[in-house]
Amino acid sequence: KAGVTQTPRYLIKTRGQQVTLSCSPISGHRSVSWYQQTPGQGLQFLFEYFSETQRNKGNFPGRFSGRQFSNSRSEMNVSTLELGDSALYLCASKIGTENTEAFFGQGTRLTVV
Amino acid sequence: TQLLEQSPQFLSIQEGENLTVYCNSSSVFSSLQWYRQEPGEGPVLLVTVVTGGEVKKLKRLTFQFGDARKDSSLHITAAQPGDTGLYLCAGARSGGGADGLTFGKGTHLIIQP
Repeated sequence: KAGVTQTPRYLIKTRGQQVTLSCSPISGHRSVSWYQQTPGQGLQFLFEYFSETQRNKGNFPGRFSGRQFSNSRSEMNVSTLELGDSALYLCASKIGTENTEAFFGQGTRLTVV
Repeated sequence: TQLLEQSPQFLSIQEGENLTVYCNSSSVFSSLQWYRQEPGEGPVLLVTVVTGGEVKKLKRLTFQFGDARKDSSLHITAAQPGDTGLYLCAGARSGGGADGLTFGKGTHLIIQP
């Protein structure tokens, strides 16, 4: 059974650019959540998608957005990148919204220069 | 506001010693998970505790959920170098974790041979 797949693994962008990250959840899982991990703040919740709908959003600016497709794959987008957006972005897969056990991908390491 | 406080933040001990990591909050959680993360990888789920007072064992690891479901502990017996990593606790505050998991900042554990 394949795990959570995130692409790309590493990314270097320049300030002001935008970036799109991709996440394919575990087969059969319909919930996808995104987290940002930095040394100073730890893991922080960005948003969760279920059945192509955003169910909740963390305390991040509107530059951070996402979407989910009918096959449960999800993308997150960050526009107008800032140096502080450099982080490990993690995607978590859950069976459904009532289940709390989240399975994480390896993450995408984004560096903004 | 950090809702989940983990202690200690850093711990370096010799192989064979025992240790306990704590995860405390003033909030009640419907469930709490423990993860282990290695550098450059995503967190890997170790255990989920749901019932107040619940104790779960995973080989040399013992997890306990506080009676009031506000705190948890992870005890490792006879630590081995392979136990080295970042240990994260995460709480779900709603039934399905739809608000996202709230993570502690983690305990960096180093087991020296």
